[in-house]
Amino acid sequence: EVQLVQSGAEVKKPGESLRISCQGSGNSFTNYWISWVRQMPGKGLEWMGRIDPSNSYTYYSPSFQGHVTLSSDKSITTAYLQWTSLEASDTAMYYCARHSRGLQAFDVWGPGTMVIVSS
Amino acid sequence: DIQMTQSPSTLSASVGDRVTITCRASHIISSWLAWYQQKPGKAPKLLIFEASTLESGVPSRFSGSGSGTEFTLTISSLQPDDFATYYCQQYNTYTFGQGTKLEI
Repeated sequence: EVQLVQSGAEVKKPGESLRISCQGSGNSFTNYWISWVRQMPGKGLEWMGRIDPSNSYTYYSPSFQGHVTLSSDKSITTAYLQWTSLEASDTAMYYCARHSRGLQAFDVWGPGTMVIVSS
Repeated sequence: DIQMTQSPSTLSASVGDRVTITCRASHIISSWLAWYQQKPGKAPKLLIFEASTLESGVPSRFSGSGSGTEFTLTISSLQPDDFATYYCQQYNTYTFGQGTKLEI
């Protein structure tokens, strides 16, 4: 069974940097894209961007372009979401999700990483 | 950008009811639409893709229909486990609807 395992909850201060991770199981990691989805407390789902772990090609939502960075390391089947300077408004649950290349729905989701940014 | 509008935002229903949730896209998206179920504290779960194809393991009381800009998710006979929040998503540029909370 394919699983996405996400790193643990984080509590950070405004201005700090952070990188959270999403590790895929199995040997098919580079056959799929990984997207990241934000869910602010009590709110809906927002797509942030996706990465192709086979070549690290990224595609960002305009709403998140320039504020976060997606990366991946296919040797350890892991995708990353990174901030260089957190803001309080980044407080949210962050999910990674797998989808096949092309026009495909998100069929496997990680359990989420809670990020709290507070002074 | 493609906007997705779900209605209603909240839906009150009872076990055994038939319920329908609507999702409207601001542009034609063919059948590139998925429905997800999310329970509190959990990740979303894929229910339906390509507007009407049931994901493996999803009960047959769930069904989806529509194409172009108008889509519906129907639950034929609500079960206690179905009370959750439902999201549509167009996966051309991945926008989600704002969600429909299905409550007792």
